[in-house]
Amino acid sequence: DTEVTQTPKHLVMGMTNKKSLKCEQHMGHRAMYWYKQKAKKPPELMFVYSYEKLSINESVPSRFSPECPNSSLLNLHLHALQPEDSALYLCASSHEQGLGNYGYTFGSGTRLTVV
Amino acid sequence: QKEVEQNSGPLSVPEGAIASLNCTYSDRGSQSFFWYRQYSGKSPELIMSIYSNGDKEDGRFTAQLNKASQYVSLLIRDSQPSDSATYLCAVNRVGGGNKLTFGTGTQLKVEL
Repeated sequence: DTEVTQTPKHLVMGMTNKKSLKCEQHMGHRAMYWYKQKAKKPPELMFVYSYEKLSINESVPSRFSPECPNSSLLNLHLHALQPEDSALYLCASSHEQGLGNYGYTFGSGTRLTVV
Repeated sequence: QKEVEQNSGPLSVPEGAIASLNCTYSDRGSQSFFWYRQYSGKSPELIMSIYSNGDKEDGRFTAQLNKASQYVSLLIRDSQPSDSATYLCAVNRVGGGNKLTFGTGTQLKVEL
C-alpha cells in the first residue's frame, strides 16, 4: 500500500464549529506532516510528527490542534477557525531516517472552506 | 532572500519541445532536492529527487544539480499537454530533520 488517505476530501465549516481532518498511511512511515496550501502558493509546513511525537510546530495558532494516535494515523482538530484558514490541507508521510529518494508521499488533501 | 526561489511563470513551450525549469536555494547546507508536479486542485506528486552534483535522468525527466551555484533544474523532454502543471522545487537541509521547504512553483503550459 503506497497511499496516504485523507478524509474528508471537502469540508465546509462555520467559524463556531469543531471538526477534524484525518490522515492514514500503511507504508510503515514514522514521520507524518501537516501542510497548508493557499491558492497559487507553495505548501507551508504546520506540524511534524516523528515516532508519534510532535517534533515541529511552525508557530501554528492554537485553533489547529494535531494528534497522532498511532504510527498510521494523524488527525488535525479544528476549532473556531477564521475564513482566512480556508485552504487545501495536505497530509504527508516519509521515512523518519532521512527522506531518501522518495521524499514525502502526499495524501490527496482536504479542501477546507470556513464560512 | 527566499530560501527556495522559482520563476512563477507561466512558462509556455510547444508540444514536443524541451521545458527547462529552474530553482535556486539560499542555504548551502541543503542536501537533498525534490521536484514535485501539482495539477490544479490536486496534491503534489514526486517527479524526481537528486542528491549529488550532476544529472539524474528518469524517462523524459532530467534533474540537474550544481551545489556550488546553489542551483537545481528540471528538464522535461518531448513535452506533452499532460505535463501542463505547476512544478514545485523542494529542498531539505542538513540538520533540518525531514522538513521540506518548497519554492513558489513554476506554472508550465505545453501548447498544441
